[in-house]
Amino acid sequence: GDSVTQMEGPVTLSEEAFLTINCTYTATGYPSLFWYVQYPGEGLQLLLKATKADDKGSNKGFEATYRKETTSFHLEKGSVQVSDSAVYFCALSDGNAGKSTFGDGTTLTVKP
Amino acid sequence: GAVVSQHPSRVICKSGTSVKIECRSLDFQATTMFWYRQFPKQSLMLMATSNEGSKATYEQGVEKDKFLINHASLTLSTLTVTSAHPEDSSFYICSARLRLGGNEAFFGQGTRLTVV
Repeated sequence: GDSVTQMEGPVTLSEEAFLTINCTYTATGYPSLFWYVQYPGEGLQLLLKATKADDKGSNKGFEATYRKETTSFHLEKGSVQVSDSAVYFCALSDGNAGKSTFGDGTTLTVKP
Repeated sequence: GAVVSQHPSRVICKSGTSVKIECRSLDFQATTMFWYRQFPKQSLMLMATSNEGSKATYEQGVEKDKFLINHASLTLSTLTVTSAHPEDSSFYICSARLRLGGNEAFFGQGTRLTVV
């Protein structure tokens, strides 16, 4: 079945540091890939997405590129802020069934 | 963008009682909705797929008699936790897929259930 493997956390960075959270996936067919962010006590917010190989999703300074050859979708941000502290989930969506498969989540803490 | 509303956001109930959680797609029709459960500091686990007008499809290990799912219309799915126990305390999140396809699912805000 489909699976998503995400870099283990927690990750602690200083403000303005560079962020990378690794994500690789296993899937049959051609899934869409997503990054979601979850702030404490809240639901999921879509951060960015990519629907086909070589697509780059971007939002709020975050970027991720759909790499089919390495089955990866790593999340990056050039300069993190304290407000970026949250849990980040990598996910894929099965095109046929529509259900989402999530990674384990990575907790990011950004210190001033 | 598409909006999915989940209600209530928080609920506390006594052991042995039942709790109903609603998931509504506000500005689109969703033939398929999904229910997830999230334990503290863990990822989301799919519980069941809810299909409008038909029975839900449950994932292995999920008790269908305990977690009743009804998808009576194209904009509403409900999850009822029956005879709740403290171990049912969790964060429940629904998502809905646009009727006319597309791989993106839109998530509700989640419901924090505490059983005392």
